[in-house]
Amino acid sequence: DVKVTQSSRYLVKRTGEKVFLECVQDMDHENMFWYRQDPGLGLRLIYFSYDVKMKEKGDIPEGYSVSREKKERFSLILESASTNQTSMYLCASSPWDRDYEQYFGPGTRLTVT
Amino acid sequence: KNQVEQSPQSLIILEGKNCTLQCNYTVSPFSNLRWYKQDTGRGPVSLTIMTFSENTKSNGRYTATLDADTKQSSLHITASQLSDSASYICVVIIQTGANNLFFGTGTRLTVIP
Repeated sequence: DVKVTQSSRYLVKRTGEKVFLECVQDMDHENMFWYRQDPGLGLRLIYFSYDVKMKEKGDIPEGYSVSREKKERFSLILESASTNQTSMYLCASSPWDRDYEQYFGPGTRLTVT
Repeated sequence: KNQVEQSPQSLIILEGKNCTLQCNYTVSPFSNLRWYKQDTGRGPVSLTIMTFSENTKSNGRYTATLDADTKQSSLHITASQLSDSASYICVVIIQTGANNLFFGTGTRLTVIP
C-alpha cells in the first residue's frame, strides 16, 4: 500500500513565523503535490513537483514556496505565515505517468493566530 | 464558476437508507473521473475511477455512474452505515496540461442512527 505521511496533524503558529510542512511518501513516486482545503472551496493546488529539485506553480502559489531535495520528500514552506493561511494542507503523490492517480496524506490542520 | 459542481452540499440520512450524490462538470477534454471519500480530519481516499467508456463502477456498497455525453456522474450508496459519514469529493481529470485535475467542493454526508 502507498503511504504518504505528513509531519504534523495539527499545528499552531503565530503571524510572521516561518512554517515548514513536511511530506514523505514510500512508493518511489515521481510526482508530489501540495494542496490546501478550505470549506466551500474544495482542494486547491499550491505547488507540484515532477522530479527532484523541480517545482511548478499550481493555482495559488502566492505566499508559499516548496523544496524537493529527495525524491520521497516534498516540503511546503510558509515564509511569513499570515492568518489567511489557516487551512487544511494535504500532500499527495502519484506515479510519473499517472498524475491523476494521487494518494493523499492525512493532512495538517494549520492555524495561524 | 466552479467547473465541477457537486450537489447537494450536505445531506443527512438515516442508517440503512440509500442515497445518491451528484457531480456535474464542464471541463474537457475528459480523461477520467474519480470519487474520493474523506473522513473528518483525514486525507481523501479513492473510491472509484471511471474512464470515458465506463458507465458504471462499483466498490462494495458504492456505485458510481458516468454519462460522458451529459457530463454527469453520480455516486450511489446502498444500505448506509454510520461509517459512511464523510465528505465525498468528485474529481475530473482532463487529457491535457500539467495541472489537469479539477476538484468539486464535496458533499458532506451524515448518517444518523
